[in-house]
Amino acid sequence: QKEVEQNSGPLSVPEGAIASLNCTYSDRGSQSFFWYRQYSGKSPELIMFIYSNGDKEDGRFTAQLNKASQYVSLLIRDSQPSDSATYLCALYNNNDMRFGAGTRLTVKP
Amino acid sequence: NAGVTQTPKFRILKIGQSMTLQCTQDMNHNYMYWYRQDPGMGLKLIYYSVGAGITDKGEVPNGYNVSRSTTEDFPLRLELAAPSQTSVYFCASSLPDRVNEQYFGPGTRLTVT
Repeated sequence: QKEVEQNSGPLSVPEGAIASLNCTYSDRGSQSFFWYRQYSGKSPELIMFIYSNGDKEDGRFTAQLNKASQYVSLLIRDSQPSDSATYLCALYNNNDMRFGAGTRLTVKP
Repeated sequence: NAGVTQTPKFRILKIGQSMTLQCTQDMNHNYMYWYRQDPGMGLKLIYYSVGAGITDKGEVPNGYNVSRSTTEDFPLRLELAAPSQTSVYFCASSLPDRVNEQYFGPGTRLTVT
């Protein structure tokens, strides 16, 4: 079982819709959780991080964490073509960062 | 501030050759990291350092070495390049109390043939 699992996609949504990206993990000791966005050929950039169960909102982005179910998700409201990228889920535990393989999102105008 | 810089941007190596990937940050970050990213995959941690003189292995350290003589620099050494080391290598840095805010360099694309 992979430590961080993501649906590779591609996930395609129309402009203005909500994009929902999901991630499950196996390490119950994970302390913090991150979503990175990576444009093709570029380095990852941090979008959101979440430590506690529940929701965390930042602009059009909402991260949701459920530690009991070992599940973290990212919702993107009012999706824009500029949101088209690969989204990497990552978790941190004791100086060790583990990444999922990423979900490729395409937002169609 | 230049942030995190990496050199070279691209490199082709023959099997068995060695090289050093350079990484420098000018943000006075204590923590630095080396990741590799294979096509269609997430990043895997190779080595990390929590300060000058201190390094530790990550998930995939075999075939690599690192050193950290200064806060600014964290070079990654490949001694005997193998085709399995063909990848994109990213260096990152962060403050110790803000490990969630990792700043990534632009990456080095390495091909071993």
